[in-house]
Amino acid sequence: KQEVTQIPAALSVPEGENLVLNCSFTDSAIYNLQWFRQDPGKGLTSLLLIQSSQREQTSGRLNASLDKSSGRSTLYIAASQPGDSATYLCAVRGGIKAAGNKLTFGGGTRVLVKP
Amino acid sequence: EAGVTQFPSHSVIEKGQTVTLRCDPISGHDNLYWYRRVMGKEIKFLLHFVKESKQDESGMPNNRFLAERTGGTYSTLKVQPAELEDSGVYFCASSQVGHFFSYEQYFGPGTRLTVT
Repeated sequence: KQEVTQIPAALSVPEGENLVLNCSFTDSAIYNLQWFRQDPGKGLTSLLLIQSSQREQTSGRLNASLDKSSGRSTLYIAASQPGDSATYLCAVRGGIKAAGNKLTFGGGTRVLVKP
Repeated sequence: EAGVTQFPSHSVIEKGQTVTLRCDPISGHDNLYWYRRVMGKEIKFLLHFVKESKQDESGMPNNRFLAERTGGTYSTLKVQPAELEDSGVYFCASSQVGHFFSYEQYFGPGTRLTVT
């Protein structure tokens, strides 16, 4: 079955530093991968969606890469700001034994950007 | 455009009682999903509707959970009778239907369910 892992579970950086968040998945036969942001007590905000045929997606200061063969994705956030403090979740759709549209989530990385 | 909405935002019930959660997807989204996060665990898939039909209910934990989507618009998730281990946050998501590539899923704010 598909398993998604995010390491580290928590990360603290000074403002201005670049953030690098990692996501790995066990079954490389995915359809897409989605990065989300969750603020405390709030829902999930979709940040980026990478289709299986793509290698990266960019939105403003955010850049996500996808290496299907190695089962990895990385989310880069440039020039971090205190407002970037949140939990970042990675989720994949698909896998050989995970048909359908359901997403399989990682446990998230809790980010704190210190002013 | 309104996002995915869920009601209530928080529900506290006693073990053995019944609770019904509601989700209104983004207008025009035929796909509707339910997920939940229980304490200390990852968000897990529960089920998927395409319009009013259950496409995949492989994540439903047991027969105390009943999901409906009459008319293909809003959906309800009923837990009857509730158990302590049902406590957690229940998320609803919706997406468009695509044939050749996947549309992103948009999530609601969640309903926090506490069973005492």
